Amino acid sequence: DVKVTQSSRYLVKRTGEKVFLECVQDMDHENMFWYRQDPGLGLRLIYFSYDVKMKEKGDIPEGYSVSREKKERFSLILESASTNQTSMYLCASNAQGVQYEQYFGPGTRLTVT
Amino acid sequence: SQQGEEDPQALSIQEGENATMNCSYKTSINNLQWYRQNSGRGLVHLILIRSNEREKHSGRLRVTLDTSKKSSSLLITASRAADTASYFCATDATGANSKLTFGKGITLSVRP
Repeated sequence: DVKVTQSSRYLVKRTGEKVFLECVQDMDHENMFWYRQDPGLGLRLIYFSYDVKMKEKGDIPEGYSVSREKKERFSLILESASTNQTSMYLCASNAQGVQYEQYFGPGTRLTVT
Repeated sequence: SQQGEEDPQALSIQEGENATMNCSYKTSINNLQWYRQNSGRGLVHLILIRSNEREKHSGRLRVTLDTSKKSSSLLITASRAADTASYFCATDATGANSKLTFGKGITLSVRP
């Protein structure tokens, strides 16, 4: 079974802090994704990576950066957290190519105060 | 940009009834996928239908795809209380390099 894990289920940070969200997958997937989910807005893609050290911006990359130093790990970084980044963050992975479903982690609910 | 739009936004039915959820999208796709999300959890993949397929079954799930109308439907037969969740359609647009675009989701409540 594919397993995608996220470092925290719940996180509370203060405005201006640097925040790291970690995601690890154990199925040797090439692609990894970071989404945020907000009520009424569904899932929106922040960044994705299709290979180690490769990244592409999604629909809402502003205020975020990512790092992929190893194939199994994809980190989302909030350089200076703001209250409007309070959200549920979901990581996903899938194999390269079309026609493959994404596997999701359990999510991290981040609150920025 | 939101590609998939689900309809209705919320659905409440009695256990044993069938639930039908619809999804419309705007551009050409490689495939369309349905996911389920239990409250406060990650999404779980349910079923994938390719652009050259019209109907697909998986257990109590039936998905149809009409590419001429750019729409899909998910039917859950003989619903159970455990089917209570949010359901999302996601499209893998042509040329999107495996990226999915999700709709806003449908909240399904199945009353025991």
